[in-house]
Amino acid sequence: DGGITQSPKYLFRKEGQNVTLSCEQNLNHDAMYWYRQDPGQGLRLIYYSQIVNDFQKGDIAEGYSVSREKKESFPLTVTSAQKNPTAFYLCASSKTNTEAFFGQGTRLTVV
Amino acid sequence: KNQVEQSPQSLIILEGKNCTLQCNYTVSPFSNLRWYKQDTGRGPVSLTIMTFSENTKSNGRYTATLDADTKQSSLHITASQLSDSASYICVVSGPSGGGADGLTFGKGTHLIIQP
Repeated sequence: DGGITQSPKYLFRKEGQNVTLSCEQNLNHDAMYWYRQDPGQGLRLIYYSQIVNDFQKGDIAEGYSVSREKKESFPLTVTSAQKNPTAFYLCASSKTNTEAFFGQGTRLTVV
Repeated sequence: KNQVEQSPQSLIILEGKNCTLQCNYTVSPFSNLRWYKQDTGRGPVSLTIMTFSENTKSNGRYTATLDADTKQSSLHITASQLSDSASYICVVSGPSGGGADGLTFGKGTHLIIQP
C-alpha cells in the first residue's frame, strides 16, 4: 500500500532530551518536507530535501536537525536547543511542484 | 509579503446544508492553489489542485473555484455530512511563495457539521 508513514503517533520528551521523529515514504517521491503545526497557525516549514544527501533549512529550522541518507526516509530530530517543541509535526513528500502527500502526524509533548 | 487569508475562521452548519469557504492570496507569481482537508489529529488530505488556467474543479461534493485575476478561491461543499467536520486549508504555490518550499499556507477554516 503506497503512502507516507510517520511514527510514533504520540511522543513525550523530557527537558534537555533529544528525540527523533520518523518519516518513511514508498511513493518514489524525490522531495520530502517537515512542518510544524501549532493551534490556530498555518503550517510552518522546518526543513526540506529535494534529493538524497541534500537538505535545506526552512523558516523555523533552529533547534531541529534532519538527515536524508535514503530516498524513502527523512527523520527529524528535535534537539534540546528547541525551547518550545510541543506541537504537531507533519511530514510530507511530493514530486516537483505537485501536490504534497502528508503523513498522519506526530504529536510531541514536553513533560 | 506573500499571504493566504482564509475566511471564516470557523463555521457551524447543519447536516445537509451547503457552505462556501473563502481563500484570498497575494502570492505572485502563482503556480497552483490547493485545498486540503485535515481531520483533527490527522495529516491533511488533498481535495483539489488548480493551476492558473483552471477556474473550477470538483471532487465529489467539493467544488473549488479560482479567480486568478482577483486572487480569490472558494471551496463549496454541497449537502454536508457529519464527516465533513474538519479544518480546510488553502495552500498557494509559487516560485516566491512564503516558505522556502514555495508554499504559503492559510491558517484554515474550522468547519463543524451539526446533526
